[in-house]
Amino acid sequence: DVKVTQSSRYLVKRTGEKVFLECVQDMDHENMFWYRQDPGLGLRLIYFSYDVKMKEKGDIPEGYSVSREKKERFSLILESASTNQTSMYLCASSLAVIVEETQYFGPGTRLLVL
Amino acid sequence: GDSVTQMEGPVTLSEEAFLTINCTYTATGYPSLFWYVQYPGEGLQLLLKATKADDKGSNKGFEATYRKETTSFHLEKGSVQVSDSAVYFCALSERNAGGTSYGKLTFGQGTILTVHP
Repeated sequence: DVKVTQSSRYLVKRTGEKVFLECVQDMDHENMFWYRQDPGLGLRLIYFSYDVKMKEKGDIPEGYSVSREKKERFSLILESASTNQTSMYLCASSLAVIVEETQYFGPGTRLLVL
Repeated sequence: GDSVTQMEGPVTLSEEAFLTINCTYTATGYPSLFWYVQYPGEGLQLLLKATKADDKGSNKGFEATYRKETTSFHLEKGSVQVSDSAVYFCALSERNAGGTSYGKLTFGQGTILTVHP
């Protein structure tokens, strides 16, 4: 069965802290994605990766960075957390094929920055 | 750039009612269109998709037809159940000229559906 897991369901951090959100997939997918979900705004793409050590900016990369050292793991890093980064963060993965493949999502991490 | 617009929510229906959630899109290329569903406390999961004009996607009694002439992909179900209560997202993935896209999705804002017994 397809599985995308995220390291935490809920996280509370202080302003200025460095925050790591981890995502692991067990499907040998090439593509991995980080989104944030906010009410009324849907999901917005932060970063994505199409191969190990490769990354591309999405629509809202400011204040975030990512790391992909292994194919199955994609980390989102908040270098210095701010209150406007309070949100739900969703990780997803998909196969790399010519025709678009389904994205499989993790359960999400709800981050509160105080 | 690409964009997806969904009907404003929330939508509240009685069980067995007919459901329509409107979705329109703007894209410059040849998008594939998706409906994802998010049940309470869970991540998103694919509900259905269509990859070219006039295709109909269907799953679990839900249907949506890719209408290029009206740039729409409206979601319908003939008889909703309480278990259909969820947030529904319309999304598109656009291919570039080479036929690849990395699968990046552009989402609508989501529509909350609540079905009462």
